[in-house]
Amino acid sequence: GDSVTQMEGPVTLSEEAFLTINCTYTATGYPSLFWYVQYPGEGLQLLLKATKADDKGSNKGFEATYRKETTSFHLEKGSVQVSDSAVYFCALSDRNYGQNFVFGPGTRLSVLP
Amino acid sequence: DTAVSQTPKYLVTQMGNDKSIKCEQNLGHDTMYWYKQDSKKFLKIMFSYNNKELIINETVPNRFSPKSPDKAHLNLHINSLELGDSAVYFCASSLQGLSGANVLTFGAGSRLTVL
Repeated sequence: GDSVTQMEGPVTLSEEAFLTINCTYTATGYPSLFWYVQYPGEGLQLLLKATKADDKGSNKGFEATYRKETTSFHLEKGSVQVSDSAVYFCALSDRNYGQNFVFGPGTRLSVLP
Repeated sequence: DTAVSQTPKYLVTQMGNDKSIKCEQNLGHDTMYWYKQDSKKFLKIMFSYNNKELIINETVPNRFSPKSPDKAHLNLHINSLELGDSAVYFCASSLQGLSGANVLTFGAGSRLTVL
């Protein structure tokens, strides 16, 4: 079945550092890819998405590019802020898999001032 | 104005009790989901309904019974609660589209604690 793998956390960075969170996937079809963010005590919110190869999703300074050849969707941000501290989930939605959304295990990011 | 609202936000109960969590969405979406998030933040799909019909039913004990009276509501009833049921339960909804670019919108979560 479909699956999503993310780098293990927690990730701790200083403010203004560069962030990369790796995400790779396996899918039988041609999935859409997403990054969701969960702030403490809240539900998950969509951060960005990409629906086809070479698409770049971007929002709030975060970016991720859909790489079909490496089945990856790594999340990047050039300069993190304390307010970016949260858990980040990579996910896919595969139309061939009953419209199910499959989530990675999440990566906790802590940004220190 | 909350898009996906679930109640209650917190639920503390004894083992063996029966409890329900309710979910409503006002986005006009046609598909609703229940996810369980454990203490390590791992998120697992439990059920999915499309236009009131069950389309995803993962390996979940039959003590868990979803009910969708209409496409804007999806409730979760849990019988004979066990310690291992303690988790945060998230309701979510989406609009299925031909493009496959549907997006999940989550509620704020219901934290269930079984004592």
